[in-house]
Amino acid sequence: QTVVTQEPSLTVSPGGTVTLTCAPSTGAVTRGHSPTWIQQKPGQVPRTVIHSTDIRQSWTPARFSGSLLGGTAALTLSGVQPEDEADYHCLLLCGPVWVFGGGTKLTVL
Amino acid sequence: QVQLQQWGAGLLEPSETLSLICSVSGGSFSGYYWSWVRQPPGKGLEWIGDIYHNGYTNYIPSLKSRVTMSLDHSKNQFSLTLTSVTAADTAVYYCARNWELWGQGTLVTVSS
Repeated sequence: QTVVTQEPSLTVSPGGTVTLTCAPSTGAVTRGHSPTWIQQKPGQVPRTVIHSTDIRQSWTPARFSGSLLGGTAALTLSGVQPEDEADYHCLLLCGPVWVFGGGTKLTVL
Repeated sequence: QVQLQQWGAGLLEPSETLSLICSVSGGSFSGYYWSWVRQPPGKGLEWIGDIYHNGYTNYIPSLKSRVTMSLDHSKNQFSLTLTSVTAADTAVYYCARNWELWGQGTLVTVSS
């Protein structure tokens, strides 16, 4: 089964920019993987911020953007806010099954 | 506003069957896929499977022999059944619609 890899943790300063990546063990990410990014704060329900590579949900701030970058799916946060501190899970459609990455713990410090 | 409300037994003994229901309010099943995801304590998310509005299902291979998902159009509900549970099935279980809406989560603990 495909393994999806994310950075375990990243730290960014308030107002800074950070890029989280998501890579499957099977090769490059394409739009066909329908990359989805899910934010989860401690004790809270997951909330999808990006789906289908680069489509923001209605509640997703414009500072969140999704893309394909060097064979990976990427989530870029520009002008990071303290409230962006959270776990970010990526999700890829690999054939008929969805596979989550291990998650990236983003610290805003 | 569409909402997902889920419920089910929170404490099970090993070998029992987990049953969860997710109720859809303010919307219909048509055109969507409905997923179940779980998160063991302190760990990441794991996709369990999904069911399309026409009843077609996909399950994660590792759980396929124990999982059943179904829809009840008359009640606007979809369900998850997981048989022969063990402590490894202890997790918060979430339902979701097209990854855009999530249920509130149900903690299921398997313990003797």
